[in-house]
Amino acid sequence: AQSVSQHNHHVILSEAASLELGCNYSYGGTVNLFWYVQYPGQHLQLLLKYFSGDPLVKGIKGFEAEFIKSKFSFNLRKPSVQWSDTAEYFCAVNVLDSSYKLIFGSGTRLLVRP
Amino acid sequence: GAVVSQHPSWVICKSGTSVKIECRSLDFQATTMFWYRQFPKQSLMLMATSNEGSKATYEQGVEKDKFLINHASLTLSTLTVTSAHPEDSSFYICSATRAGSVDEQYFGPGTRLTVT
Repeated sequence: AQSVSQHNHHVILSEAASLELGCNYSYGGTVNLFWYVQYPGQHLQLLLKYFSGDPLVKGIKGFEAEFIKSKFSFNLRKPSVQWSDTAEYFCAVNVLDSSYKLIFGSGTRLLVRP
Repeated sequence: GAVVSQHPSWVICKSGTSVKIECRSLDFQATTMFWYRQFPKQSLMLMATSNEGSKATYEQGVEKDKFLINHASLTLSTLTVTSAHPEDSSFYICSATRAGSVDEQYFGPGTRLTVT
């Protein structure tokens, strides 16, 4: 069965620190990859997505992610975090079969200290 | 565009009763809608996938007779939790895809269900 692993469950950073959140998936076929963010009390929002092409994708709010096919990874990065980035981040994989189901990782809770 | 709403945003019900949650795509026609549940501090787990006018496809381990899904139109899907028990208390989230963009899901704000 397909699965998504997020290795960091809790991350605490100071403002202006750099961020990298790991995401690995297990599936040998073609996938679409997503990062979603859930701010406290709010619904899931799409940060960025990778379907094909340039493996380095840029999203909203200064986030980017790199797809490394050989490592089955899609790590999220931001050079300098802000207090407002405090949220939970979910990596998700969409297996390109007929169902288009999203499989989510367990999430990473990020706390940015001012 | 691509706004998904859910109603109610929170609900408290007594054990043994049923509760219905609505999911609407406000500004697009949803070819497919998905229902997830999220336990506190955990990730989203897909419960079922529904297409308008056809029966929902349930994930392994999800009781289809307990979680009734109706996708009556291209803008509305409902999830009914029948004979709810305290262990059904959770955050239920729906998402929808639209024609021409089936790879991307748009999420609703979620419904918090508490069964007492």
